[in-house]
Amino acid sequence: ETGVTQSPTHLIKTRGQQVTLRCSSQSGHNTVSWYQQALGQGPQFIFQYYREEENGRGNFPPRFSGLQFPNYSSELNVNALELDDSALYLCASSALWSLTMGGYTFGSGTRLTVV
Amino acid sequence: QQQVKQSPQSLIVQKGGISIINCAYENTAFDYFPWYQQFPGKGPALLIAIRPDVSEKKEGRFTISFNKSAKQFSLHIMDSQPGDSATYFCAASMEAAGNKLTFGGGTRVLVKP
Repeated sequence: ETGVTQSPTHLIKTRGQQVTLRCSSQSGHNTVSWYQQALGQGPQFIFQYYREEENGRGNFPPRFSGLQFPNYSSELNVNALELDDSALYLCASSALWSLTMGGYTFGSGTRLTVV
Repeated sequence: QQQVKQSPQSLIVQKGGISIINCAYENTAFDYFPWYQQFPGKGPALLIAIRPDVSEKKEGRFTISFNKSAKQFSLHIMDSQPGDSATYFCAASMEAAGNKLTFGGGTRVLVKP
């Protein structure tokens, strides 16, 4: 059991650029969620994927998009980066059956800085 | 729109003391209330959780108290240790909304030796 792995750990981008963040789910987990955590705040739900389809989205604009692959790994893509997108992006995986029992495992996140 | 409000923002407690963190929620459809612990440079890790049909749950030194009528719940950390120094988040979710987590703003706890 390797846990949730996110890459890269840190990233600096320029306003207007595009970025792709990656997440490898914990073994046996088929659901992945992405959260944005601004400095000093709680994580905010971006979206969730189950079996390669989005099945829930938070209050984020369409320039935030994602993918889940057959091996349940996932990507978060952000287009037209804005300064306010600077945050820690967290990936959380779970087996769907265990969601009601709090079965989320979070990765250590990707720290994105937009300059 | 903050559906889960957490207080205090920060807390300093002496080793062996009790840390108390409070949360209030608005949406009565929430059916699951977890607490997460986050260390610097790490993602949140589930600490303890409760459902609204239970008024209290204890796991080791950590206890959740839940007041459904007041829409409030709290985390008590007994015999606080320096290793408990971390940021704690309360959260809420509902199965009808895909179990997405709505987090509070966090409480930074510092346990002094």
